[in-house]
Amino acid sequence: AQTVTQSQPEMSVQEAETVTLSCTYDTSENNYYLFWYKQPPSRQMILVIRQEAYKQQNATENRFSVNFQKAAKSFSLKISDSQLGDTAMYFCAFHNAGNMLTFGGGTRLMVKP
Amino acid sequence: NAGVMQNPRHLVRRRGQEARLRCSPMKGHSHVYWYRQLPEEGLKFMVYLQKENIIDESGMPKERFSAEFPKEGPSILRIQQVVRGDSAAYFCASSPSSVNEQFFGPGTRLTVL
Repeated sequence: AQTVTQSQPEMSVQEAETVTLSCTYDTSENNYYLFWYKQPPSRQMILVIRQEAYKQQNATENRFSVNFQKAAKSFSLKISDSQLGDTAMYFCAFHNAGNMLTFGGGTRLMVKP
Repeated sequence: NAGVMQNPRHLVRRRGQEARLRCSPMKGHSHVYWYRQLPEEGLKFMVYLQKENIIDESGMPKERFSAEFPKEGPSILRIQQVVRGDSAAYFCASSPSSVNEQFFGPGTRLTVL
């Protein structure tokens, strides 16, 4: 079974600064997808970024980028130029061949003005 | 194209009652997933369905919980004889195929008194 670990329960960052959220996972599979989801107070799950395991290039989406280290089974999220609207819970998720998503426990990010 | 719809958004039940949660996937999506989120935790997979078939129910509790996705109409997650421990947010997600990203609904928050 896959496991996803987010070792930072809470983090804070000043507005306009950069913050990195950590995620590690454990799997014996070679082909899979990794995701970061954002869950604001509304509780809606919003996809932030995705990474295919077969791609060596790190995914980027505007201010969001990942550092994907396949050998180390690490998938961190970097948020640049943090904005107040980035305040939310962030969940790392693993998508395996069995189709289900396995989520980490989440990191609560607070962006301070 | 409307997103994934869930209703009700909030549901209050007394212990012993039944709870029915509905999920209408995005248009063109035939794969539906149910997840449960306990307070301060990540989402946990419950069940994966395609039209009229349960593909994977490895995350479903053995008793009181059932799910269906009929040929016509929404997917239903049914919880019989609810207990306080069933209080959680229940999220539905859909995808057009098993390898695509999953799009989440807004969730149903179930409170058991």
